[in-house]
Amino acid sequence: KQEVTQIPAALSVPEGENLVLNCSFTDSAIYNLQWFRQDPGKGLTSLLLIQSSQREQTSGRLNASLDKSSGRSTLYIAASQPGDSATYLCAVHPFPAGAGSYQLTFGKGTKLSVIP
Amino acid sequence: SQTIHQWPATLVQPVGSPLSLECTVEGTSNPNLYWYRQAAGRGLQLLFYSVGIGQISSEVPQNLSASRPQDRQFILSSKKLLLSDSGFYLCAWSRQYSNQPQHFGDGTRLSIL
Repeated sequence: KQEVTQIPAALSVPEGENLVLNCSFTDSAIYNLQWFRQDPGKGLTSLLLIQSSQREQTSGRLNASLDKSSGRSTLYIAASQPGDSATYLCAVHPFPAGAGSYQLTFGKGTKLSVIP
Repeated sequence: SQTIHQWPATLVQPVGSPLSLECTVEGTSNPNLYWYRQAAGRGLQLLFYSVGIGQISSEVPQNLSASRPQDRQFILSSKKLLLSDSGFYLCAWSRQYSNQPQHFGDGTRLSIL
């Protein structure tokens, strides 16, 4: 059974700092990995999706990497801002993808606070 | 562009009462649709998914049911709510092919008294 772990559970950094959020998964047979952001009391916003054949994806100040063989992904946030404060979740999609394999397995998230 | 709507945003219900949460998607056709529950201190758990009208798959045994009466409408229901049904319910959609990202609604906060 796939398990996804995100450490640390909470992180506090001063504004402007670069930071890395970690995600690890136990079964390397994944189809893709998705990073989300969740603001308090809100739904999830998709940030980046990395296919299993990719090593990284970039969007603005965000860069996500994937090392499938070691079961790890990182989300790098450059020049953090107070508006980046949220909970960041990673989720993996099982492989092979096909009928019945729609379940994303989520980590419990890392709560990020960026202090002005 | 595609949008997903969930309502209500919050709901307080007594134990034993019925439940109906609705989710609709705009701007796409034949999406995959999902219901998740997020309980305090726990990760998101997939409850149901649907690949087409009338096609519902359940991931966990539970007190809830789901229906998809129209292509872009997904409904989560219960005949009698339990205290353990409290939580944050999220609807999501994705394009048909499984390598596509999932996109979430704003969620419904359900409190059972």
